[in-house]
Amino acid sequence: QVQLQESGPGLVKPSETLSLMCTVSGGSMNNYYWSWIRQPPGKGLEWIGCIYYSGSTNYNPSLKSRVTISVDTSKNQFSLKLSSATAADTAVYYCARQAGTMPGAPYFDYWGLGTLVTVSS
Amino acid sequence: SYELTQPPSVSVSPGQTATITCSGDTLGNNFAYWYQQKPGQSPVLVIYQDFKRPSGIPERFSGSNSGSTATLTISGTQAMDEADYYCQAWDSTTVVFGGGTKLTVL
Repeated sequence: QVQLQESGPGLVKPSETLSLMCTVSGGSMNNYYWSWIRQPPGKGLEWIGCIYYSGSTNYNPSLKSRVTISVDTSKNQFSLKLSSATAADTAVYYCARQAGTMPGAPYFDYWGLGTLVTVSS
Repeated sequence: SYELTQPPSVSVSPGQTATITCSGDTLGNNFAYWYQQKPGQSPVLVIYQDFKRPSGIPERFSGSNSGSTATLTISGTQAMDEADYYCQAWDSTTVVFGGGTKLTVL
């Protein structure tokens, strides 16, 4: 059973970089895309972007200028960096395994528990 | 930008059929996916590729997708089905989620 666990600071100051890590256990990262998805308190889901195990990335155009996703398959981890954070970036951040085809028909079959990141001074 | 529109809320009596819609331009030309999210929990995939159920998802959950509307149907709705439901699809460049529908079983 694949499990994902997010980790990182729960509080980030405005204008700083939000950094999170996702650790994958119970399965290989090979041959899959791995995604970050966020959910502001009381609101809906927003896809941030994904990375293939080999390192190729796809980002949400609305966030692309501020997002970097990287992967370290030797550690079974992938990470998110979101620069120039503002209060609008306050959300629960989920990491997820992306199944289906990319591009074209991606979906998310395993999710982490999520971690709340608050952007505030 | 591409948008998926869901009704904010749907109410159903226990044992009845709940129908949640998701509308988007030519949505029927793409696969639709559905997630269930209970308070304080992560989303769970309940329907993929329009109508397929992942292992462990009860048969009362079904899906369809045609034209510009995808539909999630829950037959014989149970109290445990009360949750937020999100549809999801792929635009030409990004994953898109609907705004979510709160299903109330009363």
